[in-house]
Amino acid sequence: SQKIEQNSEALNIQEGKTATLTCNYTNYSPAYLQWYRQDPGRGPVFLLLIRENEKEKRKERLKVTFDTTLKQSLFHITASQPADSATYLCALGGNAGNMLTFGGGTRLMVKP
Amino acid sequence: EAGVVQSPRYKIIEKKQPVAFWCNPISGHNTLYWYRQNLGQGPELLIRYENEEAVDDSQLPKDRFSAERLKGVDSTLKIQPAELGDSAVYLCASSFRGNYNEQFFGPGTRLTVL
Repeated sequence: SQKIEQNSEALNIQEGKTATLTCNYTNYSPAYLQWYRQDPGRGPVFLLLIRENEKEKRKERLKVTFDTTLKQSLFHITASQPADSATYLCALGGNAGNMLTFGGGTRLMVKP
Repeated sequence: EAGVVQSPRYKIIEKKQPVAFWCNPISGHNTLYWYRQNLGQGPELLIRYENEEAVDDSQLPKDRFSAERLKGVDSTLKIQPAELGDSAVYLCASSFRGNYNEQFFGPGTRLTVL
C-alpha cells in the first residue's frame, strides 16, 4: 500500500540555522509533490509545488528537492526564525485529478 | 478576497447524535474537498467534488457519512449517527480544477463525540 513517511518527532533548531525536513514515500509514483504549513487550530497553507521532472524549487528562504529515484523530498528553511515554528506537511499528487495524499507532518520548533 | 469558510468551528455531541458541517469555498473554485484530520496526523481525503459531482468518495464511510454540494458551490458533510471514533478535525478545501493546483483550506471544524 502507499506510504508517506515524515519524521513524527519534532525538529528543534536554533534561530538562524537551516531546518531540513524529510518526506519519504513507497509504493507511489507521484506526478508532483506539495509542501504545506499548518499552525495549531488552522488549516494547512500551501508553500511550494515541485513536479516529478524538477530536481529543485526555491521560494525566498524555502527550498524543496525531489528525488524520484530515492523516493524522497527534502524541505529546507534557511535562516530559520521563531515564526517558522509550525507543522510542515508533504503531499503527493498523481495524474487522476487534483488529489493529494498527505504525510503525517513534522513539527518544527525554532528557538530564539 | 475571502478564504474558505467553515462552520461551526467547534462541535461537541453525544454519540449516536447527528452532526453537520458546512463549507463555502473560494469563489470560482470548481473543486471542493472534505478531509478528516486526526490528532498528530495529516489530512485524509473523504470526498472530492468537481462542481456538483462527487468524483471520488471511496474513503467516505457511506453507512454513516453523507455529503452534498448543491449548485456546485456550498457543501455540507453529515454524520449520522456519530461514533466516538469520529472525533477529529474536519477540513474543507477548494481549488481550481486540474492537477498541480494548490488547495486552499478552511480553518476546520473540531468535532468531539462524547
